[in-house]
Amino acid sequence: SQQGEEDPQALSIQEGENATMNCSYKTSINNLQWYRQNSGRGLVHLILIRSNEREKHSGRLRVTLDTSKKSSSLLITASRAADTASYFCARDTGRRALTFGSGTRLQVQP
Amino acid sequence: EADIYQTPRYLVIGTGKKITLECSQTMGHDKMYWYQQDPGMELHLIHYSYGVNSTEKGDLSSESTVSRIRTEHFPLTLESARPSHTSQYLCASSASTGLDIQYFGAGTRLSVL
Repeated sequence: SQQGEEDPQALSIQEGENATMNCSYKTSINNLQWYRQNSGRGLVHLILIRSNEREKHSGRLRVTLDTSKKSSSLLITASRAADTASYFCARDTGRRALTFGSGTRLQVQP
Repeated sequence: EADIYQTPRYLVIGTGKKITLECSQTMGHDKMYWYQQDPGMELHLIHYSYGVNSTEKGDLSSESTVSRIRTEHFPLTLESARPSHTSQYLCASSASTGLDIQYFGAGTRLSVL
């Protein structure tokens, strides 16, 4: 994608393990957001991190942001089968709309 | 659960038909968006609106049109559907002030035969 990349494209883990997905981008941002999409559904906002923040937590989610490397990571701890979904990072660059990546498809095996 | 609704959820139609995908939100958001998403792929912005009577084309060229006559309603119309229009269409909205967090509808999965 010209806007950045997410990796891995797909991730399969066992219940209880941690899942880490990464997002890189190319332009400066106001904030970076992570969304979740269950199969065949719309996206749901999970967490937002501002450009002047380095780390943020919400429940089992931990997001980091490194603006010097233009990258972010989402960590889901103690994963559950219900966490199976696609996860997208979205960059707010102050343009007309968020710019979404191609997503990481997470499969959590029970 | 976001108060944004899309109908229909699934639509199978023949080539050449005119269709309208409905999107309504009850959150009073000024900003609304239409995205196109192929299965397992990234979202592409096709239209957006910052308020009533304001509509703009997005990053992805689309043969669809939109209107914004009421704050809560942002329908998308295809005058003559083609198989290349087969995709999932996602509607979203966000407040005009504060952080641009988007709320999505459940989507319309369109198949054009």
